[in-house]
Amino acid sequence: SQQGEEDPQALSIQEGENATMNCSYKTSINNLQWYRQNSGRGLVHLILIRSNEREKHSGRLRVTLDTSKKSSSLLITASRAADTASYFCAAQYNFNKFYFGSGTKLNVKP
Amino acid sequence: EAGVAQSPRYKIIEKRQSVAFWCNPISGHATLYWYQQILGQGPKLLIQFQNNGVVDDSQLPKDRFSAERLKGVDSTLKIQPAKLEDSAVYLCASSLASSPLHFGNGTRLTVT
Repeated sequence: SQQGEEDPQALSIQEGENATMNCSYKTSINNLQWYRQNSGRGLVHLILIRSNEREKHSGRLRVTLDTSKKSSSLLITASRAADTASYFCAAQYNFNKFYFGSGTKLNVKP
Repeated sequence: EAGVAQSPRYKIIEKRQSVAFWCNPISGHATLYWYQQILGQGPKLLIQFQNNGVVDDSQLPKDRFSAERLKGVDSTLKIQPAKLEDSAVYLCASSLASSPLHFGNGTRLTVT
């Protein structure tokens, strides 16, 4: 299986704090993507980092990629209650294959 | 643009019955995926289509699951007969080449 792992499984923080979640994958990738899933909904794409990039920013999101460790991290700064959701990393391989991690459930308390 | 459409939204069946899910991807998206998401877990790839051809179905339980994508547009996923462990959300996604996935809202299946 090429499913990745994420940690922590669950994270509870106060509004305004930063949230960091980590992802590991198993073999060489084309890129690494992060998705968000609100309860009862499909996944929504957040940000993509290519295998030759080390860091990328988008608004309050910062993602890093360490290909030597086969790991990535997603940082959400100044979190809001609306950020409450599950977050998944997805490793993209050749032929447009995507394998998802196990997810981090984020709860942001107002 | 219209998103990925899936139906039904919910389905409850008894074990050993059959069920079918339907997906209409975003117009022009050649690649279509079916994922199974068990409660508390990440999506697991069941089958990937490129137009109407199968790219990867290595994790599809072929003794009970089948999928088709006639004419390279809509797709159906069928389970026959269903088992209790098939209870999950079935997600359809589509993409253009090398672009992020666009997901539907899924079908929540409960097998009793």
